[in-house]
Amino acid sequence: AQSVTQPDIHITVSEGASLELRCNYSYGATPYLFWYVQSPGQGLQLLLKYFSGDTLVQGIKGFEAEFKRSQSSFNLRKPSVHWSDAAEYFCAVRDSSYKLIFGSGTRLLVRP
Amino acid sequence: KAGVTQTPRYLIKTRGQQVTLSCSPISGHRSVSWYQQTPGQGLQFLFEYFSETQRNKGNFPGRFSGRQFSNSRSEMNVSTLELGDSALYLCASSLGGDSLTDTQYFGPGTRLTVL
Repeated sequence: AQSVTQPDIHITVSEGASLELRCNYSYGATPYLFWYVQSPGQGLQLLLKYFSGDTLVQGIKGFEAEFKRSQSSFNLRKPSVHWSDAAEYFCAVRDSSYKLIFGSGTRLLVRP
Repeated sequence: KAGVTQTPRYLIKTRGQQVTLSCSPISGHRSVSWYQQTPGQGLQFLFEYFSETQRNKGNFPGRFSGRQFSNSRSEMNVSTLELGDSALYLCASSLGGDSLTDTQYFGPGTRLTVL
């Protein structure tokens, strides 16, 4: 069965530091991968998506993610974190019936 | 373009009651999916509607149902509410084509509290 693992429940970084959030997926066919962000009390906002082609994808708010098939990973990165990036981040894979399967999320805390 | 809208944003109900949540998709989107988000279970897929037909269903009891209207707006109904139904219910819309590249855009959610 398809699944998504986000091994880090919480991550704390200092403002201005770099960030990497990990995501591993289990999917037999070509994965269609997404990162969403959720601010407290809000819905999910799409940051970026990977369907095919270039394995490094750019998203909004300065985020990027790299697809590595050999490692079944789709890690999210940002070179310099801003206080407004504090939120919960979800990685998801779209399965063959078109629904999204989400990881458990990583809560990002930003130290001033 | 206006985003996905959900009403109401907050609801408080008591056990045994029923509730109806509404979702208006992005203009031009024909697919609406519903997800339940709880601290314990995370984000779980409820069902998807496309062109007024349920196209996909998650693993939830029959108390959870939905429908879609000809203008693509969707409603979700939960009958005989239980305490465990307290959650954030998220609606997502997409174009709905038969493509795995179809992308879902989420609304702000409806926070349901069952007392």
